[in-house]
Amino acid sequence: QKEVEQNSGPLSVPEGAIASLNCTYSDRGSQSFFWYRQYSGKSPELIMSIYSNGDKEDGRFTAQLNKASQYVSLLIRDSQPSDSATYLCAVINSSASKIIFGSGTRLSIRP
Amino acid sequence: ETGVTQSPTHLIKTRGQQVTLRCSSQSGHNTVSWYQQALGQGPQFIFQYYREEENGRGNFPPRFSGLQFPNYSSELNVNALELDDSALYLCASSVEPGDLYGYTFGSGTRLTVV
Repeated sequence: QKEVEQNSGPLSVPEGAIASLNCTYSDRGSQSFFWYRQYSGKSPELIMSIYSNGDKEDGRFTAQLNKASQYVSLLIRDSQPSDSATYLCAVINSSASKIIFGSGTRLSIRP
Repeated sequence: ETGVTQSPTHLIKTRGQQVTLRCSSQSGHNTVSWYQQALGQGPQFIFQYYREEENGRGNFPPRFSGLQFPNYSSELNVNALELDDSALYLCASSVEPGDLYGYTFGSGTRLTVV
């Protein structure tokens, strides 16, 4: 079982709609959770972090965490073409020593 | 501009050669983590240095080695290059190893082994 799992996509969403990205993790003691956005050929850019159960909103982005289900999600409202990228889910492991990444979900916003 | 710089940007090497990649972290960031990202994959943890000592290692062979220096710079060395070593190599800095605020990535070095 992979430590952090994501659907690789591609996920195609019409412009203006809500994009929903999901992630599960295996280490129940994981402490902090992140979403990174990565444009093709570029390095990952941190867009959201979440530490407690529930929702956290920042502009058009909402991160959701459910530790009991070991599930993290990212919602992008009013999707724009510039949101087309790969989204990486990342988790700090229970020993708090490193960040582990999923393989990423490729998101495509179609006009 | 993230404050983390990597050099070179691109590199082409021949199988069997050795390569050194460099990273300069933000001042005060005592931790540097190196990741390998193959095409279409997520970043894979290679190793991490904290205050100039190795603080953890992923599933990579010993021919991958590193150093961290007191001036917040670091190196990733790869010996006996193989074709599968072709990837984007990312350096990420943070204050602490499991920094709750996440890691800041450099722009990466694209290594091609031919």
